[in-house]
Amino acid sequence: AQTVTQSQPEMSVQEAETVTLSCTYDTSENNYYLFWYKQPPSRQMILVIRQEAYKQQNATENRFSVNFQKAAKSFSLKISDSQLGDTAMYFCAFMKNPGYSTLTFGKGTMLLVSP
Amino acid sequence: NAGVTQTPKFQVLKTGQSMTLQCAQDMNHEYMSWYRQDPGMGLRLIHYSVGAGITDQGEVPNGYNVSRSTTEDFPLRLLSAAPSQTSVYFCASSYSGAGANVLTFGAGSRLTVL
Repeated sequence: AQTVTQSQPEMSVQEAETVTLSCTYDTSENNYYLFWYKQPPSRQMILVIRQEAYKQQNATENRFSVNFQKAAKSFSLKISDSQLGDTAMYFCAFMKNPGYSTLTFGKGTMLLVSP
Repeated sequence: NAGVTQTPKFQVLKTGQSMTLQCAQDMNHEYMSWYRQDPGMGLRLIHYSVGAGITDQGEVPNGYNVSRSTTEDFPLRLLSAAPSQTSVYFCASSYSGAGANVLTFGAGSRLTVL
């Protein structure tokens, strides 16, 4: 079984600043996917970014980037130029590959972006 | 293209009542799954299905039943609701094979058991 740990229950950042959310995981699998999901107050689950374990290059999506350290089993999310709309709960998640498209989630980090 | 549709969005039950949370997808996805979200716990897998007629248990299956008679539908049944089942429930679906790592989530169903 795999576990995902998010050690920061809450974080805050000011608009335009940069913030990094931490995630570590434990697995015996060699091939897998890692994800960051955003859940705003609307409750909708929104995919922010994903990383394939066999790719050494860190994934980026506009203002969002990850620092994937496979040996350390670490997968942090960096948000640059934070915006008020980034206020949300952020979940780190793990998916086996191949698998049945099921996710193991961390407990989440609540990010508050203030003006 | 509606994606993943969950009904109802909100439901209040009394302890011991039964109900079914509906989940339907119109994308011809083979894989479907149910999660529950509790404060401070993230989302946890309840049951999943890899195709019509095939289901399996996730991390927290107790108190829930599922069936998959068609590709489109994956209902979650609570046979005798308990206060511990108060939660927000999410259904998700994806393709098998290429694209299997991309889940489409429903909007969630908030269930309160009194």
